[in-house]
Amino acid sequence: QVQLVQSGSELKKPGASVKVSCKASGYTFTSFGVNWVRQAPGQGLEWMGWINTKTGIPTYAQGFTGRFDFSLDTTVSTAHLQISSLKPEDTAVYYCARKVGGIWGLDYWGQGTLVTVSS
Amino acid sequence: QTVVTQEPSFSVSPGGTVTLTCGLSSGSVSTTYSPGWFQQTPGQAPRTLIYSTNTRSSGVPDRFSGSILGNKAALTITGAQADDESDYYCVLYMGSGISVFGGGTKLTVL
Repeated sequence: QVQLVQSGSELKKPGASVKVSCKASGYTFTSFGVNWVRQAPGQGLEWMGWINTKTGIPTYAQGFTGRFDFSLDTTVSTAHLQISSLKPEDTAVYYCARKVGGIWGLDYWGQGTLVTVSS
Repeated sequence: QTVVTQEPSFSVSPGGTVTLTCGLSSGSVSTTYSPGWFQQTPGQAPRTLIYSTNTRSSGVPDRFSGSILGNKAALTITGAQADDESDYYCVLYMGSGISVFGGGTKLTVL
């Protein structure tokens, strides 16, 4: 069965970096893209962008350029989200979600990773 | 910048039918926007209900259906149950690889 398993919660200080991982199983990793979605405490879902797992080409939403980086390790079927120069307002749960094959949409989701930025 | 709009809240009686909508601050939603719908309960990851306007995700009961109604995307829930009480989010594909979520609708079943 399709599963996306994310890395555990992180507590970071402002200015630090964090790398969140999303390990896929149950399907051919390079056949389906990976989306990243942010949810700040008490807020709605925010689409951050996605990465084409076949080409490695990322697409970032407005507001998620510069400090945010999507990458892949296809040898272990894992997508990564790295956030640098962390700010307190980056405190959120970050989700990965699989892109539906062949059309635009999201189907399976990871369980989420809480990133807390606090001094 | 185009905003994706949803009703902030809605209520439905147990066994009733409710239709939630997803619109644009400017323009009409069509199948080109490939609307998707997600259900989220507190503390849980979102669950995909619908993608590409009206395709049910694996395991989603047929009480949930997606469509285009007028100039908006719509999610209809029939035979509402207590555990349908959740937040519902829509997402629209804006082209050039970009998607945008709506602000979400808090559905109360009472």
